Amino acid sequence: QKEVEQDPGPLSVPEGAIVSLNCTYSNSAFQYFMWYRQYSRKGPELLMYTYSSGNKEDGRFTAQVDKSSKYISLFIRDSQPSDSATYLCAPIGPYGQNFVFGPGTRLSVLP
Amino acid sequence: DAMVIQNPRYQVTQFGKPVTLSCSQTLNHNVMYWYQQKSSQAPKLLFHYYDKDFNNEADTPDNFQSRRPNTSFCFLDIRSPGLGDAAMYLCATSRDFSRGDNEQFFGPGTRLTVL
Repeated sequence: QKEVEQDPGPLSVPEGAIVSLNCTYSNSAFQYFMWYRQYSRKGPELLMYTYSSGNKEDGRFTAQVDKSSKYISLFIRDSQPSDSATYLCAPIGPYGQNFVFGPGTRLSVLP
Repeated sequence: DAMVIQNPRYQVTQFGKPVTLSCSQTLNHNVMYWYQQKSSQAPKLLFHYYDKDFNNEADTPDNFQSRRPNTSFCFLDIRSPGLGDAAMYLCATSRDFSRGDNEQFFGPGTRLTVL
């Protein structure tokens, strides 16, 4: 079993839709989680991070963590064409190290 | 602007011909990472430096080496590139590993083609 799994996509939605991106993990040692966004031909950039179970909101983005089921979600409200990118979940180990990325979900938001 | 710079952006080499990719940072971060990313796949960590302390991932092939002569620069050497080494190589930095300091800042990547 891979440490981190994500639906690969591509996921295509119309502009304005609510998007749900999901990530599952197997290692109970992961302490908290980051989401990175990677535009085509660019390096990833940090989008959000969550330190505990529950929800964290930042503008149109909400990150949700359920440690009991090892399930992480990223919700995007009112999606925009500029949100078209690959979204990578990144779990953080017990010493703060982030050495593993999920395979990413490619999102296309159509105008 | 403080940033992570990778040169060149595109590199073409021949099968078996050594190649070096470079990364520099103006962030003064302690940690530097090298990742390999193939099409539609996650970045895969090859190794990282915490200051001068080198840490190799267990499954990184011996063909890949790295040097960090100072805080600002880090190099990836591929001694004998094979066709399977064609990929995007991403350099990243973070201030530290502790919470609040472990955000990684990525360069734009070097796309390596092996002929």
